[in-house]
Amino acid sequence: EPEVTQTPSHQVTQMGQEVILRCVPISNHLYFYWYRQILGQKVEFLVSFYNNEISEKSEIFDDQFSVERPDGSNFTLKIRSTKLEDSAMYFCASSLGGSSYNEQFFGPGTRLTVL
Amino acid sequence: DQQVKQNSPSLSVQEGRISILNCDYTNSMFDYFLWYKKYPAEGPTFLISISSIKDKNEDGRFTVFLNKSAKHLSLHIVPSQPGDSAVYFCAASADLGTYKYIFGTGTRLKVLA
Repeated sequence: EPEVTQTPSHQVTQMGQEVILRCVPISNHLYFYWYRQILGQKVEFLVSFYNNEISEKSEIFDDQFSVERPDGSNFTLKIRSTKLEDSAMYFCASSLGGSSYNEQFFGPGTRLTVL
Repeated sequence: DQQVKQNSPSLSVQEGRISILNCDYTNSMFDYFLWYKKYPAEGPTFLISISSIKDKNEDGRFTVFLNKSAKHLSLHIVPSQPGDSAVYFCAASADLGTYKYIFGTGTRLKVLA
């Protein structure tokens, strides 16, 4: 069964450093997403991406964040200068279509720890 | 921004009995609702969904009920099995050209053998 994969599973970084979280969405999916979950809190939407551009972003997704689909398979989230409060689980998701009725499939997540 | 609420952080149920997980929402524009299950160290896994034009959707042991007037949905699992022990998230979306899901805070279900 096709699945979304994410690397690394755990990333530890120093405050102020740049990190890149990587995702390989399901191959025939066209819409890609990043969510995050701070420990003990709910899963929060960060950004959606379609046709090589951002479709929607939340207020969390400020100028420190960027996304890219550098080739036909990878989808990346870059945090330019990490802050302590960026520590969270980051989930990539993909869906075949962009409407409500297309379920989003989630990867296993990358745990980001900012020291 | 508490548009989707799951007021019970945890629930314990005996194996074989029914588990009922509840979710309330405030945004009347939501037209699609989903339940995801999450095990530790894994991503959310899609479980079942329901469109706002329906009031019930069933898939095996899982049934989701939607009460639009009360802005309430529930997930029934019957019979409950120990493998169902996980965190269950309710999510909602509005088909207004937005693609995001709004998640609740989750309910940790423990099914006791």
